[in-house]
Amino acid sequence: EAGVAQSPRYKIIEKRQSVAFWCNPISGHATLYWYQQILGQGPKLLIQFQNNGVVDDSQLPKDRFSAERLKGVDSTLKIQPAKLEDSAVYLCASSLDRGLAGGRGTQYFGPGTRLLVL
Amino acid sequence: ELKVEQNPLFLSMQEGKNYTIYCNYSTTSDRLYWYRQDPGKSLESLFVLLSNGAVKQEGRLMASLDTKARLSTLHITAAVHDLSATYFCAVDKVPQGAQKLVFGQGTRLTINP
Repeated sequence: EAGVAQSPRYKIIEKRQSVAFWCNPISGHATLYWYQQILGQGPKLLIQFQNNGVVDDSQLPKDRFSAERLKGVDSTLKIQPAKLEDSAVYLCASSLDRGLAGGRGTQYFGPGTRLLVL
Repeated sequence: ELKVEQNPLFLSMQEGKNYTIYCNYSTTSDRLYWYRQDPGKSLESLFVLLSNGAVKQEGRLMASLDTKARLSTLHITAAVHDLSATYFCAVDKVPQGAQKLVFGQGTRLTINP
């Protein structure tokens, strides 16, 4: 079974530029997550999709970050304009269920996109 | 607001020894997850703990959950070098489960021959 795919793997941009990340979840996984992991910290949830609807985006800096999930499958996360503090690894994860009604909710993570903002 | 704290943050140990990593959290939840991350790699699911008293074991690792104490432990038995990694616990901030995970800071484990 193929895992969660992400691209690009690395990106270097200057501050105030824009950048976009792509994620393809495991086939059949209804729930998709984007996390930001700053060096030396645990991942922080940015947004959670259930199919193509947003379940939780309470920690997404909406003045500069946006995300969409096309047709309930692939997703893109965009930053515009980028700031120095956005330098981090952006992780995409997917799960078969959300852990409700007896489900385990186990999340499977992609390899991440490492972003450096100069 | 849910806070998740791991202890210790750094752990260096000898092969063959036993040790425990602690994960404390601040609000009610009965869903806790342990993940492993190797340097430069993504996160790998280790254990899913879904109720008070849950205990899971895989090889030299054993995880347990005490929801009344808001504490989970990850116990390492007779450590081997291959277990060197960063270990994260994550707690679902919705008690009945919705995968709104809050992660701890991580425990960087180094096992020396």
